[in-house]
Amino acid sequence: DIVMTQSPDSLAVSLGERATINCKSSQTVLSSSNNKNYLAWYQQKPGQPPKLLVYWASTRESGVPDRFSGSGSGTDFTLTINSLQAEDVAVYYCQQFYNTPSYTFGQGTKLEIK
Amino acid sequence: QVQLVQSGAEVKKPGASVKVSCKASGYTFTTYYMHWLRQAPGQGLEWVGFINPSDDSTRYTQKLQGRVTMTRDTSTSTVYIEVSSLTSEDTAIYYCARGPATGAFDIWGQGTMVTVSS
Repeated sequence: DIVMTQSPDSLAVSLGERATINCKSSQTVLSSSNNKNYLAWYQQKPGQPPKLLVYWASTRESGVPDRFSGSGSGTDFTLTINSLQAEDVAVYYCQQFYNTPSYTFGQGTKLEIK
Repeated sequence: QVQLVQSGAEVKKPGASVKVSCKASGYTFTTYYMHWLRQAPGQGLEWVGFINPSDDSTRYTQKLQGRVTMTRDTSTSTVYIEVSSLTSEDTAIYYCARGPATGAFDIWGQGTMVTVSS
């Protein structure tokens, strides 16, 4: 299985500032056939199911605010949240869907307000 | 609108089985795989398996192979997951989620809490 490792495990950011979450995969999730990274980001608020934010590493899901952006390729990826809002407090997960049907997630990063 | 609605919470004794349903609406049921995932209390997300509603094919995580069964009813656009021989380690919120075989999960059910306790 591809192991997904996120960093940090938790972070506290001031309102209006930028939050950066990293995700590293144990092997590449970049397909040579279509040059796409098989990597998604999810947001999970307490008591709610996860919500898809980004897929193909950098494509924002419809309706997701543009302060959320994904970047990276191969084995190293980043989720950036610009101008942090109070409603962004959540746990964020990365997920690979390259090595299917073994879909693996990172351990999660808890984002709080400083 | 597109939504997945799951059945209610369950409490089971060790060794028993549990069956959870997920009813889809707002889209063509057979055009997307349905995945099941679970999340133990305070823990991360674990993929359990998927069913292709179009042809009833399934794939399961090796960890639960032999104890999990996924089925579908196309007449009601509902998928089911059944887990047998329950232990306390199966205590978790079980989610259904829509997605392709190779792709992200774009719609999630609200989750069903399954508690295994004597």
